[in-house]
Amino acid sequence: QVQLQESGPGLVKPSQTLSLTCTVSGGSISSGGYYWSWIRQPAGKGLEWIGRVYTSGGTNTNPSLKSRVTISIDTSKNQFSLQLTSVTAADTAVYYCTRESSYDSNEFDYWGQGTLVTVSS
Amino acid sequence: DIQMTQSPSSLSASVGDRVTITCRASQSIATYLNWYQQKPGRAPKLLIYAASSLQSEVPSSFSGSGSGTDFTLTISSLQPEDFATYYCQQSYTTLRTFGQGTKVEMK
Repeated sequence: QVQLQESGPGLVKPSQTLSLTCTVSGGSISSGGYYWSWIRQPAGKGLEWIGRVYTSGGTNTNPSLKSRVTISIDTSKNQFSLQLTSVTAADTAVYYCTRESSYDSNEFDYWGQGTLVTVSS
Repeated sequence: DIQMTQSPSSLSASVGDRVTITCRASQSIATYLNWYQQKPGRAPKLLIYAASSLQSEVPSSFSGSGSGTDFTLTISSLQPEDFATYYCQQSYTTLRTFGQGTKVEMK
């Protein structure tokens, strides 16, 4: 059974960089047919796709986040990471790491439990 | 961006009721449509993928239908554990987008 676990600071100061890591267990992050994605959810609001990384290291990101997002993968550690620069209070949210399967409908079939990141001084 | 619009935004229902939630895409997405259930404080859970395929271990009381721009999630007989928020999500374009959610509350 694949499991994902987010880790990183729960509090980030405005204008600084948010950094999160997702550790994958129960399967290899290098397995073909999957993308590794980040999704966030502000309190009481809906879900926003941030972006994804391929096993090759290629990425796709949400244009709404412009050039603030970097997603990377470390296959040796079975981890992938998110960096979001120049954060503001609007970036306060629960951040989820997920696996996206490319076999059927590119669905998000496994999710981490989520980690709350608060942007505040 | 493809906009996903769910209706209603919330509904009240009783155990045993048949519940239908609709999702409309701003352009055709074929059957690249997935449904998730989210309970308070928990991560979303995949229910339906490819518009109508039931994810493993999801009760058969859940079903999905539709193609193109109009989709439906149906719960044939609402159970106590089904009170939650439901989201649709399109995977037709690289920029994945979600509906705003439908909260199913107890009447």
